[in-house]
Amino acid sequence: QSALTQEASVSGTVGQKVTLSCAGSRNNIGSYDVGWYQQISHGRPKTVMLGNSLPSGIPDRFSASKSGTTAYLTISGLQPEDEADYYCSTWDFRVSGVVFGGGTKLTVL
Amino acid sequence: EVQLVESGGGVVRPGGSRRLSCATSGFNFDDHAMSWVRQGPGKGLEWVSGINWNGDSTGYADAVKGRFTVSRDNAKNLLYLQMNSLRAEDSALYYCATYPGSSAGAEYVQDWGRGTLVIVSS
Repeated sequence: QSALTQEASVSGTVGQKVTLSCAGSRNNIGSYDVGWYQQISHGRPKTVMLGNSLPSGIPDRFSASKSGTTAYLTISGLQPEDEADYYCSTWDFRVSGVVFGGGTKLTVL
Repeated sequence: EVQLVESGGGVVRPGGSRRLSCATSGFNFDDHAMSWVRQGPGKGLEWVSGINWNGDSTGYADAVKGRFTVSRDNAKNLLYLQMNSLRAEDSALYYCATYPGSSAGAEYVQDWGRGTLVIVSS
């Protein structure tokens, strides 16, 4: 049971805007920034958001936001290469460690 | 370009030990905290451990606390994970990752290695 809850699967068509969510609590998302990671075909994860910042090389169709204890990753103008598993992470002060969400499988139709 | 290359994985019997290494290059190693993250077969990402820039602050997931020890050698740009009393549920691909800053209390990691596979089986 992950401390952070993500949708098991989300789908969208090319060009569409999709939003993935990551629900937590006051112990974690409510108190800290959130990171987002993309993993294509179980390969090496890639960090796509560091809080609200885009790492170098990540297209600006990726953006992040947070409301209370839920964080969101939005992909505007979905591309076929965006099909992947997406994970969120943050610090949790109750466990004094990083916690990950269970991951969302994004399918591009 | 940041490069993180893990090694030391393999098959180990339950109760056994293994030491993983992560060779780093392309960035100032002693400016960054480091982390180990693992992924079991068919499972999601799981944070294992973190260590600050000089090694005097470390953290562990409850699942490995007391069994795993993270350390680093800043002179050699190397990160280690000593794993003792291994269990079947420790079987996973172990990734080395950088934190954006020098503190191990960060919310997220930045750069990832390709991982090294540990299989715990008799």
